[in-house]
Amino acid sequence: DVVMTQSPLSLPVTPGEPASISCRSSQSLLQSDGYNYLDWYLQKPGQSPQLLIYLGSNRASGVPDRFSGSGSGTDFTLRISRVEPDDVGVYYCMQALLTPETFGGGTKVEIK
Amino acid sequence: QVQLQESGPGLVKPSQTLSLTCTVSGDSISSDVFYWSWIRQHPGKGLEWIGYIFHSGRTYYNPSLKSRVTISVDTSMNQFSLDLNSVTAADTAVYYCARYCTSTSCPKGGFDYWGQGTLVTVSS
Repeated sequence: DVVMTQSPLSLPVTPGEPASISCRSSQSLLQSDGYNYLDWYLQKPGQSPQLLIYLGSNRASGVPDRFSGSGSGTDFTLRISRVEPDDVGVYYCMQALLTPETFGGGTKVEIK
Repeated sequence: QVQLQESGPGLVKPSQTLSLTCTVSGDSISSDVFYWSWIRQHPGKGLEWIGYIFHSGRTYYNPSLKSRVTISVDTSMNQFSLDLNSVTAADTAVYYCARYCTSTSCPKGGFDYWGQGTLVTVSS
């Protein structure tokens, strides 16, 4: 299975400040079609996960542009340009290149 | 608006079969673009992909659960189902159904719609 490793485990943030989360995969997620099969999800407290970013850098419908995804191959980053209180929750990266799809362990974002 | 809704028993006895159904509304389960998926989350833990099914019945399962899992589809009811047999306490989790996109006409490679999740507890 592809192992997904996220850091940090916990991220205290100040509203209005930027934040970033790292995700590393045990093998390249770059497919021959040119896409990186890497998603980012946010699970807000008490809710189901919601898709933020797909194919490494594409924002899902309705996702604010303060969220951005970057990276290629095995190293990826999710950035929030200006954190808002509504952004708290656990962020997961997930590889969709190979079955079984595998998720990172999660990064808990909380307001300082 | 696409919606997915899980249903099924919240309590299952050890060694029995966990059975859940996901009802899809706002979209046809017969679409050629989506796989219909089950994902679970152990209490306070991360996410584990269980498997998914195409409307034709083609399935993909997580090897860690493959010997105990069956996912089936009922296109006439716009539903798909999960059976997990020989359950133990380790199968206690919130079970989500989700839609997985395979085309550039939707968020390719992403689970773009999720059900609210249903907690299944395995206990005698």
